[in-house]
Amino acid sequence: KAGVTQTPRYLIKTRGQQVTLSCSPISGHRSVSWYQQTPGQGLQFLFEYFSETQRNKGNFPGRFSGRQFSNSRSEMNVSTLELGDSALYLCASSFGSGTYNEQFFGPGTRLTVL
Amino acid sequence: GQQVMQIPQYQHVQEGEDFTTYCNSSTTLSNIQWYKQRPGGHPVFLIQLVKSGEVKKQKRLTFQFGEAKKNSSLHITATQTTDVGTYFCAGPNNNDMRFGAGTRLTVKP
Repeated sequence: KAGVTQTPRYLIKTRGQQVTLSCSPISGHRSVSWYQQTPGQGLQFLFEYFSETQRNKGNFPGRFSGRQFSNSRSEMNVSTLELGDSALYLCASSFGSGTYNEQFFGPGTRLTVL
Repeated sequence: GQQVMQIPQYQHVQEGEDFTTYCNSSTTLSNIQWYKQRPGGHPVFLIQLVKSGEVKKQKRLTFQFGEAKKNSSLHITATQTTDVGTYFCAGPNNNDMRFGAGTRLTVKP
């Protein structure tokens, strides 16, 4: 099976712009979770989607949003970018929703906000 | 929300020495997962522990879940340079997993 793929791998934006990141889960996986990873804050949970519905949400402002399509692919959008949004954005897929599922991470999208 | 605290933040060892990272929670955990992230890579699932007092081994890695299900540890015997990376524990918070801050392991040959 192909692994989790994320596009683009690298992105440079300026403050105030918006960005959309894409994640394609492993075939058959219906859950996609998004994480922000920074050196200072570690891995921070953004949200989880399962069967096109947002199941859980972390403590991030409303500028961070996402969605999931019927084929389980997911997108994450960040509007009005701030310098502090520079980070590695990881998505992880799992077969089911819930905390007992092993998560398979993609390679991440490295976002730099100038 | 529920948080898992992980210590130490960094650990530098000589190749062949042992290494241990600890994960603690103020609340009882239904389960705990461990992941490894190599430098420049992404987290990779290592194992899940579910039962009180559970001990699981993977070659030189030993994982333990405390009797009270509030703490866990990962022990590596005789570290090798291939063990370098950051080790994360993750515990449930409602219906999603929250990650500890990670322990970054470096190994001197």
